[in-house]
Parts: sequence; structure tokens; C-alpha cells
Amino acid sequence: QKEVEQDPGPLSVPEGAIVSLNCTYSNSAFQYFMWYRQYSRKGPELLMYTYSSGNKEDGRFTAQVDKSSKYISLFIRDSQPSDSATYLCAMSGVSGGSNYKLTFGKGTLLTVNP
Amino acid sequence: SQTIHQWPATLVQPVGSPLSLECTVEGTSNPNLYWYRQAAGRGLQLLFYSVGIGQISSEVPQNLSASRPQDRQFILSSKKLLLSDSGFYLCAWTPGSTDTQYFGPGTRLTVL
Repeated sequence: QKEVEQDPGPLSVPEGAIVSLNCTYSNSAFQYFMWYRQYSRKGPELLMYTYSSGNKEDGRFTAQVDKSSKYISLFIRDSQPSDSATYLCAMSGVSGGSNYKLTFGKGTLLTVNP
Repeated sequence: SQTIHQWPATLVQPVGSPLSLECTVEGTSNPNLYWYRQAAGRGLQLLFYSVGIGQISSEVPQNLSASRPQDRQFILSSKKLLLSDSGFYLCAWTPGSTDTQYFGPGTRLTVL
């Protein structure tokens, strides 16, 4: 079983739709969870960072963590064509450690159609 | 503010040729530095990371090597490129107190 599973998509939605992107993980030591957005031929950019279970909202984006189910989600409200990108989840179990390695999902390709 | 640079942006090299990719970070000191390769359908593969000058950890045995000659400079090298070395190479950094990684713009390498 892979440490992090993420549906690669592709996911295609109409403009204005609510988008739900998800990752599951197997390592119960993971405590820190991130979502990155990667536009085509660009480096990933940090979108959301959350610690432990719960929700975090930033504008149209909400990150949700359910540690009991080992499941994280990213919701995008009122999706826009500019949201079209690959979304990568990432997680780690150590903060304050010496190397800060992240475990990434493979990414979900999202297209928002005008 | 902190900025990360990578060059070149794109590179086309013949099989068997050497490689040198450079990454530099501005606006911070003593960052942790990382090299990743991203191939289609395979996600991000961590190649090397460094917690300080001259300190390199290799994640995957392969045809590549890394060096950190200065605090904010990270170099990815190869003596002889293989076709399988083609991909999108990303450099990333973290401050010393957090695990959030910040990525550079990447180098797209094509080996022919």
C-alpha cells in the first residue's frame, strides 16, 4: 500500500462548481498536511497548510483533515478557469526534525471549463 | 522576501553528455535544500536533500549527484546522461524551523 494515494483524475468541471480533491494516507504519524497547486510547466506553489484534524479556510479554498479516517480534502468554491492546474497533497510527520521530508501524492489534474 | 532561482529553464542534451543544474535561494540563511524529479504520471521523486554546506543525502541510487558548495546554492550533476534522466527537475527549500517546502520554477531536461 502506498503511503499517500491521490486520484490522478483528470477532473473536469464547469465554472462556478464546487470542487473536491482528496488524498488518503496510511502512515498515522503524519501530522502536517499541505496542498500545492502546479500550473503546467511551472513549479508547485503552496496553497494551504494545516496541522492535525479540522478545517482551514482561505478565500475560496478550504482544507479539511480527518486523522481518524486518514483522509484529507481540498474544496474549491466558485471554481474559476484560472484554478485549472494539478493539485498535489503533501504531508509529514515531523516538525523540528533535521530534514523535513515530505510525502507527496501524485497529483490530480483539474480543468475548470468556462 | 525569499526567492528561489533555477537555471537553465530548459535544456536539451545528448545521451552521454554531462549535466549541471543550479539552484540558488535568496533572502534566507541555512535553508534545507531539495532536488526532485517529476516525470509524467510518476509524481515528485525526491533525489537529494541537504541540511547544510557539504551535507548531501541521496534518496535514490542513480546516475546523478548533488553538491552544496555554498549555503544557498545547490547543484545537480551527472557525468553521463541517460535517456531515463529526462524530466522536470525541481529545487525546493525550507526554512530551518518548518516543514513547508517552497519550489523553484524548475528545469525541463530532455535527453536525446
